[in-house]
Amino acid sequence: NAGVTQTPKFRVLKTGQSMTLLCAQDMNHEYMYWYRQDPGMGLRLIHYSVGEGTTAKGEVPDGYNVSRLKKQNFLLGLESAAPSQTSVYFCASTTSDSYEQYFGPGTRLTVT
Amino acid sequence: GNSVTQMEGPVTLSEEAFLTINCTYTATGYPSLFWYVQYPGEGLQLLLKATKADDKGSNKGFEATYRKETTSFHLEKGSVQVSDSAVYFCALTHLGTGNQFYFGTGTSLTVIP
Repeated sequence: NAGVTQTPKFRVLKTGQSMTLLCAQDMNHEYMYWYRQDPGMGLRLIHYSVGEGTTAKGEVPDGYNVSRLKKQNFLLGLESAAPSQTSVYFCASTTSDSYEQYFGPGTRLTVT
Repeated sequence: GNSVTQMEGPVTLSEEAFLTINCTYTATGYPSLFWYVQYPGEGLQLLLKATKADDKGSNKGFEATYRKETTSFHLEKGSVQVSDSAVYFCALTHLGTGNQFYFGTGTSLTVIP
């Protein structure tokens, strides 16, 4: 049982490049989330999904897109990376009737 | 709106000292309250929770009581250990709204031997 996994663990991008972060969970959770963590800012919600094929914006969605084509996967895309997107990105999942979110280990992204 | 405010860090304590990390919240209705912990290089893990007023959450020697009258959920531990060094996040959620969590900014704790 791997829980929540994230790929890749580290990435360096140049400004304007694109990339996709992959989150996968094997717990059959309905809900999935993408957060970014910045010093002094805590965790801020980027996008979330309450089921396959559905997504919604969180607190800081600009510059990001997401897709949930399969229940177990939640993809976060950066179409044109900017230095302001340098951050640590965390994925999380949970069920509709649970209070606990299960977090992945994070992806450290640097945009130069 | 919903928001969580927690005390600024970093906090440095000697082993066996008493720990308090303050957390207050603003929310509509009656949220559930949480403390999450993040060890170096890892994702967040649930430490404890309280789902209604006056509930006390506890785990691994940590405790927090849901105080509706003061909108607070302060984290306490009577005797910290070096292994408690981590970043602690206070958070709230309302079930039924996509279970969105609102996190505080985190408080870094370092325990020295």
